[in-house]
Amino acid sequence: GQQVMQIPQYQHVQEGEDFTTYCNSSTTLSNIQWYKQRPGGHPVFLIQLVKSGEVKKQKRLTFQFGEAKKNSSLHITATQTTDVGTYFCAGRDGGTASKLTFGTGTRLQVTL
Amino acid sequence: DTGVSQDPRHKITKRGQNVTFRCDPISEHNRLYWYRQTLGQGPEFLTYFQNEAQLEKSRLLSDRFSAERPKGSFSTLEIQRTEQGDSAMYLCASSLQTEEAFFGQGTRLTVV
Repeated sequence: GQQVMQIPQYQHVQEGEDFTTYCNSSTTLSNIQWYKQRPGGHPVFLIQLVKSGEVKKQKRLTFQFGEAKKNSSLHITATQTTDVGTYFCAGRDGGTASKLTFGTGTRLQVTL
Repeated sequence: DTGVSQDPRHKITKRGQNVTFRCDPISEHNRLYWYRQTLGQGPEFLTYFQNEAQLEKSRLLSDRFSAERPKGSFSTLEIQRTEQGDSAMYLCASSLQTEEAFFGQGTRLTVV
């Protein structure tokens, strides 16, 4: 079945440093979504990418969808303590009726 | 709109007992998902519905798990003969087609 892996599993940065998490799917994705889960909370939607090679920005966050639609990345510029949490990618590997499979997640810790 | 609500928030049960959880999605959302999450892991897909039809169920899920969405609105997830390995956070999410998924606060199950 479809597997979605993320690296790294964990990253600890100092406030102001950049952060990147990578998402790789075993199958081609029709679209990919990114979610953030704060400690003790539930996943909250950040963005959806649909097109091959698509790049979207939200303030300090930059999201990319690979040309082959099998990988994606999230880059945070100049991290802040409010960025702490676990970032998950989630993708569909079939048509619009296929399930949403979550990645393994990258936990980000930011210290002053 | 009050978002996705789940009941109960916490459940402690003895091994071998049956438990049932309820999820009330956002009213206009036609898709409803159930996920299971353990500490440090990503949400693991269990099953999902489009309206009242159950479109997919995880092959990893034993026959002790069953879910219903009888009128295409709320959903229930039942676990029969609970085992200690069933202890986890059970998350429900809803969406409009393939748009962003909104998660509930989850039901934390502890099997003792």
